[in-house]
This record gives sequence, C-alpha cells and structure tokens, in this order.
Amino acid sequence: NAGVTQTPKFQVLKTGQSMTLQCAQDMNHNSMYWYRQDPGMGLRLIYYSASEGTTDKGEVPNGYNVSRLNKREFSLRLESAAPSQTSVYFCASSAPKGTGDLGYTFGSGTRLTVV
Amino acid sequence: AQTVTQSQPEMSVQEAETVTLSCTYDTSENNYYLFWYKQPPSRQMILVIRQEAYKQQNATENRFSVNFQKAAKSFSLKISDSQLGDTAMYFCAFMKQTGANNLFFGTGTRLTVIP
Repeated sequence: NAGVTQTPKFQVLKTGQSMTLQCAQDMNHNSMYWYRQDPGMGLRLIYYSASEGTTDKGEVPNGYNVSRLNKREFSLRLESAAPSQTSVYFCASSAPKGTGDLGYTFGSGTRLTVV
Repeated sequence: AQTVTQSQPEMSVQEAETVTLSCTYDTSENNYYLFWYKQPPSRQMILVIRQEAYKQQNATENRFSVNFQKAAKSFSLKISDSQLGDTAMYFCAFMKQTGANNLFFGTGTRLTVIP
C-alpha cells in the first residue's frame, strides 16, 4: 500500500528554470493538495483539487500551476523558478468528511532549492 | 479566515515524563475538526490524533491525548511516558466541517525528548 507517492525527493533548479512535481495516490481519494513548508511558517496551501476535473487556489498560489490529470494524479508546475520558491513541497490526499478516515495522507515531500 | 497559533516554538522533555503542547485557533465556525500531526526528522507527516468539535469527550490514542476546550478555542496535546521516538515537529491543524477539506496549520512546535 503505497499511499501518496511524490517525485522527485530532491531537486536543485536555477532561477528561471521550470519543473513539474509529480504526485499520485492509490487511496481512491477525491481530494488532493499541494502545500509548501518553510521554517517558522508551518505548511501553507498552494492549490487543491476537491475532485477530478477541478482545481482551486489556496493561500500562496502565485508562481505555480497545477493539473489534476485524473483521480490519482495531481501535479504542480513551476514555470519560472525563483529563489523565493525554495521550500519543501508536500502533496496530500484526503478522505471525505463523515468517514472515519478524515485527515490527510501525505507524500514524503520534495526539497526544492532554487539558486 | 481560520488561524492556528502554536506559541511554543521549541520544547524539551525528559524521557518517560509528560509534556503538553499548546494550540489555539480562531474561527467563526461552530463545527469543525482539529488535528495534531507529527513530523520526525524523516520529514514524513504522520497523523497523531483527531478531534471532532461536536464531541465533548477528548480524543485519546495510546500515550497521546488532547485537552479540547471549545469555548476557549484551545486544543492542547499531551504526550505521556515520552519516548525518544517522539522527538519531532508537531503541528496543530484545523479543518472546517463544511466545504473543502483544506487544512490550516500552525507554525509547529519542535519537541526534543532527552534521554
């Protein structure tokens, strides 16, 4: 049972380069999320997808785009990386409210450094 | 908007002792969910415990229990018989009962268990 698989685990980019972070879940969850974690700031929501075919902005969406490719996959793209996007990125999925499983299942994170 | 505050950036506890981590939140919602997540040095985010606001009984999971004070908007985590494996960052998080399953996180408390 893999849960949420996130790739890559580490990445170094030069300013202005682009990249896509991949995320796939086998939990059969409808909702998926991308968060970034910065020291002293906790986890902040970048984008989320409540169901296949929908995406919405979170708290810090600027500089990012997302694609919900199908129910399993939710990717995060940085079109032109900036040093301010140096962070640890987490993908997560969640079961619906009203189930005993409410809460997120997280991927293992991607440490991204933009130089 | 929901805000979650963890006022203790760092704490330490002797092995086998008890420690309490504080969390307060601000919301106009009447029904919601509260969570504690653990992030060990491996970076993996692990759900520790969950509380539904409509339940007056405090949630417990083995050595972990919460003190949920709805009127005070307080949700503290008590770790009993602390173990070296409890060394981690701990995040408090809030989710509304209605709408999207977005989690709002506090800034975290770094707990060190001292042998």
